[in-house]
Amino acid sequence: QSALTQPASVSGSPGQSITISCTGTTSDVGNYHLVSWYQQHPGKAPKLIIYEVTKRPSGVSNRFSGSKSGNTASLTISGLQAEDEADYYCCSYAGRFTLLFGGGTRLTVL
Amino acid sequence: QVQLQESGPGLVKPSQTLSLTCTVSGGSITSGGYFWNWIRQHPGKGLEWIGYISYTGSTNYNVSLKSRVSMSVDTSKNQFSLKMSSVTAADTAIYYCARALGATVTTLDYWGQGTLVTVSS
Repeated sequence: QSALTQPASVSGSPGQSITISCTGTTSDVGNYHLVSWYQQHPGKAPKLIIYEVTKRPSGVSNRFSGSKSGNTASLTISGLQAEDEADYYCCSYAGRFTLLFGGGTRLTVL
Repeated sequence: QVQLQESGPGLVKPSQTLSLTCTVSGGSITSGGYFWNWIRQHPGKGLEWIGYISYTGSTNYNVSLKSRVSMSVDTSKNQFSLKMSSVTAADTAIYYCARALGATVTTLDYWGQGTLVTVSS
């Protein structure tokens, strides 16, 4: 299994919106409504910010939203803030009770 | 509030077995509906799922690591463990334990802080 494909980096200015893509195959992203997203600040553990493609855990800002079309899932962050600068990882169910992560995307807030 | 804490040697010699334990507090590991995961992150790299175990002991492992990995659970201590055999420098990484909702195994809602394991002689 190869890692899901994410852009290595994205950037945006405060107040803007950015979207991070996560491309898989018909064996993972395209076949299940089980994609989650994680935010990781330097030296910290990943934090769940989106699950089941579109759902937000309690306490996560509504500036974070998720979607999926075909084999590609997306994370959108609106109203960018300095604190959003972090690494972001997608994760998909890949069948047979296995999980697959994306390679990660570094978000820079300009 | 559920908390997870990894523990184990920070330095392992090549060809030996890496052993880590995750202690769960703030909730019982036997609460139904959860899978207890191990995930690692090579220095400066992305996340790699290693596998998970349920409180009943059923397991699933990453195919690429399956031949070297085993997991176990100790419900009396509210802990689960990872063993990885025949380690090499390529196994140097931060190892995280995390809880996943069983119905949606990709929902890893609680994570440990991570522990760095270095493989070196």
